[in-house]
Amino acid sequence: KNQVEQSPQSLIILEGKNCTLQCNYTVSPFSNLRWYKQDTGRGPVSLTIMTFSENTKSNGRYTATLDADTKQSSLHITASQLSDSASYICVVSLHSGNTGKLIFGQGTTLQVKP
Amino acid sequence: DAMVIQNPRYQVTQFGKPVTLSCSQTLNHNVMYWYQQKSSQAPKLLFHYYDKDFNNEADTPDNFQSRRPNTSFCFLDIRSPGLGDAAMYLCATSRDEFEQFFGPGTRLTVL
Repeated sequence: KNQVEQSPQSLIILEGKNCTLQCNYTVSPFSNLRWYKQDTGRGPVSLTIMTFSENTKSNGRYTATLDADTKQSSLHITASQLSDSASYICVVSLHSGNTGKLIFGQGTTLQVKP
Repeated sequence: DAMVIQNPRYQVTQFGKPVTLSCSQTLNHNVMYWYQQKSSQAPKLLFHYYDKDFNNEADTPDNFQSRRPNTSFCFLDIRSPGLGDAAMYLCATSRDEFEQFFGPGTRLTVL
């Protein structure tokens, strides 16, 4: 069964601290893995997208890693800010013809406190 | 700026009263998607258009329909909304199977 599991379910950190979110997946055939940030009441916004051959990708203070052998990904947030408070969703694209069906994780809710 | 626009951002309707949600895009993407997202849950794909070809997910209720009159616009019609249809509805677009860009969503309330 194609699944994406994220941990932890929720996380509270102090402003300025770093944190790492985890994503494990069992999706085949794999096309790409994406991390989205979703603010409350808003649509998801893409942070990174990685294909099978990519191990790491950065977007400002966000760095995603991918280990295609162990089917694990992580999202590292450096020097957290209050505006980082959001839900972070790991999404794996299933290679399926012309449009990649997306398998969503349940998300990690991050709260950054001052 | 190229973007995905959803109108309205908030929609209130009555039980059983038809409602239409709108999505438009300036990205010139050939694929458009509609997702339903309930509180604290992952988005659930309802259907998508690949160009003019409509693709319905197997478990999408018949109550939900969609129209795509041109590349830029896509509509979600809910024929007889029930209380269980209250949710955030997300529109997304992509160029083939590459990255999907999401709109801000429409929050639907059913009274």
